[in-house]
Amino acid sequence: AQKVTQAQTEISVVEKEDVTLDCVYETRDTTYYLFWYKQPPSGELVFLIRRNSFDEQNEISGRYSWNFQKSTSSFNFTITASQVVDSAVYFCALITNAGKSTFGDGTTLTVKP
Amino acid sequence: GAVVSQHPSRVICKSGTSVKIECRSLDFQATTMFWYRQFPKQSLMLMATSNEGSKATYEQGVEKDKFLINHASLTLSTLTVTSAHPEDSSFYICSARTGTSDTQYFGPGTRLTVL
Repeated sequence: AQKVTQAQTEISVVEKEDVTLDCVYETRDTTYYLFWYKQPPSGELVFLIRRNSFDEQNEISGRYSWNFQKSTSSFNFTITASQVVDSAVYFCALITNAGKSTFGDGTTLTVKP
Repeated sequence: GAVVSQHPSRVICKSGTSVKIECRSLDFQATTMFWYRQFPKQSLMLMATSNEGSKATYEQGVEKDKFLINHASLTLSTLTVTSAHPEDSSFYICSARTGTSDTQYFGPGTRLTVL
C-alpha cells in the first residue's frame, strides 16, 4: 500500500513571508516518482515538479524550492517571498513505476496582501 | 508543450441522462490516460487508467458499467457517465502521460452537475 500525507490542511501567511509545505510518503516500491501540483481556484492542476526516487538532489526554480529526503520519506516544498498569486491548493503525489498514483489531501495556502 | 484539454468544462444534466467528457492531449501522444474524480475540498481519487487500444483498468469501487472509458486514439480518451444521478455530481479531471515519461499532465477538469 502507498500513502501520501500532507499534514497541513491550511496555511495562511502574509505576502513576502516564506512558507514550507510538508509531504511525507509511504511506499514499498523502490522506484517511484514524486510530484507537486498546484490547483488554483480555477480548478486546473498545474505541474510544478517531478522527482524520481534515485535523485535526491534538491531543486530550486525561482521562488520555489524542493527538499527530497529519502531517509525520512519527505518531499517538502518551500515558497520564498510568497505572493498573493501563490494562493492555491497544493497537492503532493506519489506515482510508482507501474503508474499507480496516490495524491495527498492537499494543503490550502492563503497568502494575504 | 504537454497540453491536455477537456470538453466540456462544465455540464448540467438531468438525472437519468448520460454525459460524455472528452480528454485530449494536444501536442503529444498519450499512451496512457487517467481519469480522476474530485469532490469539493478533497483530494483527487483515481477512477481508472486507460491505455490506447485496450480496456480501461478501474480502481476498486468504481463501477465500470457506469463510468465507460474509451481510449480510441493516442490523443483522445472519453469518459461517459451513464444514467447520471445527483451523487455523480463532481469535478472530473483527466491526465495524460507519454510512454517515455511518468509525468502526468492534467486537463482543466469538467464540473458535472446532475439535477
